[in-house]
Amino acid sequence: GAGVSQSPSNKVTEKGKDVELRCDPISGHTALYWYRQSLGQGLEFLIYFQGNSAPDKSGLPSDRFSAERTGGSVSTLTIQRTQQEDSAVYLCASSPGPGGRAEAFFGQGTRLTVV
Amino acid sequence: SQQGEEDPQALSIQEGENATMNCSYKTSINNLQWYRQNSGRGLVHLILIRSNEREKHSGRLRVTLDTSKKSSSLLITASRAADTASYFCATAPLRGAQKLVFGQGTRLTINP
Repeated sequence: GAGVSQSPSNKVTEKGKDVELRCDPISGHTALYWYRQSLGQGLEFLIYFQGNSAPDKSGLPSDRFSAERTGGSVSTLTIQRTQQEDSAVYLCASSPGPGGRAEAFFGQGTRLTVV
Repeated sequence: SQQGEEDPQALSIQEGENATMNCSYKTSINNLQWYRQNSGRGLVHLILIRSNEREKHSGRLRVTLDTSKKSSSLLITASRAADTASYFCATAPLRGAQKLVFGQGTRLTINP
């Protein structure tokens, strides 16, 4: 019954390491989004899942970034060989409707710091 | 480039005054949404206005949509210190890529 849950809330990693960020959407929501937000900036779209359709990966900045959504529920965003420019807050959102037709519910984000 | 662009980038007003933020976009939309973000973390949905609507109210919030000018405005009346936050517009395209696209936001500061 809770909202969108993201873990961890904070992650510090060394440059070159891989990281996995997790998102638990609201039960029954078919749409799931990942965004990235650098300090004081807007939201940069990364990837969008809708039901069983192929995800829209058009926002992933490089092939080091990948995401999956298992069983239409939990999603994991993986960043391989992290770089300092990957430091940002990664936000997940879920929505009961497709393609922005309904409001999106956001998690509190994961603050990733690459040192 | 971002679909939605907010204006101004930053706004500082006295408590009790009204705050107006604007959003412009480029392509045809299904709807436009406004969100608030406190302290750089999760966003909270404020209001959704569909392309066939011109105005919508929710408490102290008033949103207008002008599809001929591809623009929207968010008015917060009788502002309070707790309204201090960043405000973002997001657009849902009518055709093409089905995703919510956010603008850069307006940073609103309410001075007591």
